[in-house]
Amino acid sequence: NAGVTQTPKFQVLKTGQSMTLQCAQDMNHNSMYWYRQDPGMGLRLIYYSASEGTTDKGEVPNGYNVSRLNKREFSLRLESAAPSQTSVYFCASSVRTLNTGELFFGEGSRLTVL
Amino acid sequence: KQEVTQIPAALSVPEGENLVLNCSFTDSAIYNLQWFRQDPGKGLTSLLLIQSSQREQTSGRLNASLDKSSGRSTLYIAASQPGDSATYLCAAGGFYNQGGKLIFGQGTELSVKP
Repeated sequence: NAGVTQTPKFQVLKTGQSMTLQCAQDMNHNSMYWYRQDPGMGLRLIYYSASEGTTDKGEVPNGYNVSRLNKREFSLRLESAAPSQTSVYFCASSVRTLNTGELFFGEGSRLTVL
Repeated sequence: KQEVTQIPAALSVPEGENLVLNCSFTDSAIYNLQWFRQDPGKGLTSLLLIQSSQREQTSGRLNASLDKSSGRSTLYIAASQPGDSATYLCAAGGFYNQGGKLIFGQGTELSVKP
């Protein structure tokens, strides 16, 4: 029972490089989310996808793009990484977005941008 | 704009003590309130979900209450154990005009000493 799976778990980038974080869920959930977690800032929503084929901006979308590839997969892309994007990134999923039920999180992807 | 606050930021207690973690939110128009546990280097695990129409939820030694009128939720942990040591986060969710997303507090780091 995998739940929410994120890859990679760790990544080091140089400023200006690009990369994609992958997320997949096997719970047949409609909604998926990308959060970043920073000391003193808590968890902040980057982008979310209420359902397959839709994506919307969260609190801190600048510098990121997302793709909801299918119902299972939701990827987060950094086109030109900056040191300010050093963070722990979490993918999550829920049955629905409005009046969301229980939220399930992946283990996180730890990104360092030098 | 919804703001969620958790005080204290850190708490240390001896094993066996009953304890209460606090969560306050500024906008009472929420659909639900969730409590999560986060172990170091790990993702978030959902503990309890309280719908806006409910006053409390219980799971084992955990009891969460919700008072929308005062903008407060508490997580009660009975007979604390060293294995309860973790960071506990609350999140207020389900705002219709924001697509039902969760707003997280910054967490309370709990340490239970043997």
